[in-house]
Amino acid sequence: EAGVVQSPRYKIIEKKQPVAFWCNPISGHNTLYWYLQNLGQGPELLIRYENEEAVDDSQLPKDRFSAERLKGVDSTLKIQPAELGDSAVYLCASSPRDGRGLQFFGPGTRLTVL
Amino acid sequence: GENVEQHPSTLSVQEGDSAVIKCTYSDSASNYFPWYKQELGKRPQLIIDIRSNVGEKKDQRIAVTLNKTAKHFSLHITETQPEDSAVYFCAASITGNQFYFGTGTSLTVIP
Repeated sequence: EAGVVQSPRYKIIEKKQPVAFWCNPISGHNTLYWYLQNLGQGPELLIRYENEEAVDDSQLPKDRFSAERLKGVDSTLKIQPAELGDSAVYLCASSPRDGRGLQFFGPGTRLTVL
Repeated sequence: GENVEQHPSTLSVQEGDSAVIKCTYSDSASNYFPWYKQELGKRPQLIIDIRSNVGEKKDQRIAVTLNKTAKHFSLHITETQPEDSAVYFCAASITGNQFYFGTGTSLTVIP
């Protein structure tokens, strides 16, 4: 089975520019997560979707970050405008409905804001 | 919310020796504890997990122990090999949907 797919893998932008990341979860996985991972740190949850519903977005900086998961499959995370401190790896992960907690990560998008 | 602490942040061992990484958690309702291995530039991958109804789980050279009373769990790697070098993350989950990660341990196995 194909794993979680993310694109792009790398993105370099200047501050104040917009940027978007795309995630395609494992087929049939209803839960989708976006995490932020700073260098030397563990993943920090930005938003969690159950199907198309955002059930936990308490850590998403809503003034500049937005996300959507149309049709409960693919998801897009957007930053507008980007700031220097947004440089990090953005990880997407998905889990099946069985509730066992198994979580599968994508390769991440490494964002550099200049 | 849950707070997960992980120690040490870096660990160097000689090939063939054992490595132990420890995590503590704060919420006694946490009931699922996965461990992830992340090689440089790659995705975190689940290597072993344990649920709160079990005290220990082993998979070949990797084992995890859980002490619910003390609210800590540990990863044990025996007979370490150079390919074990990576960053290891622990996590705690209450519902199986919300995960709280430790800050990671960078393990270096010296040939």
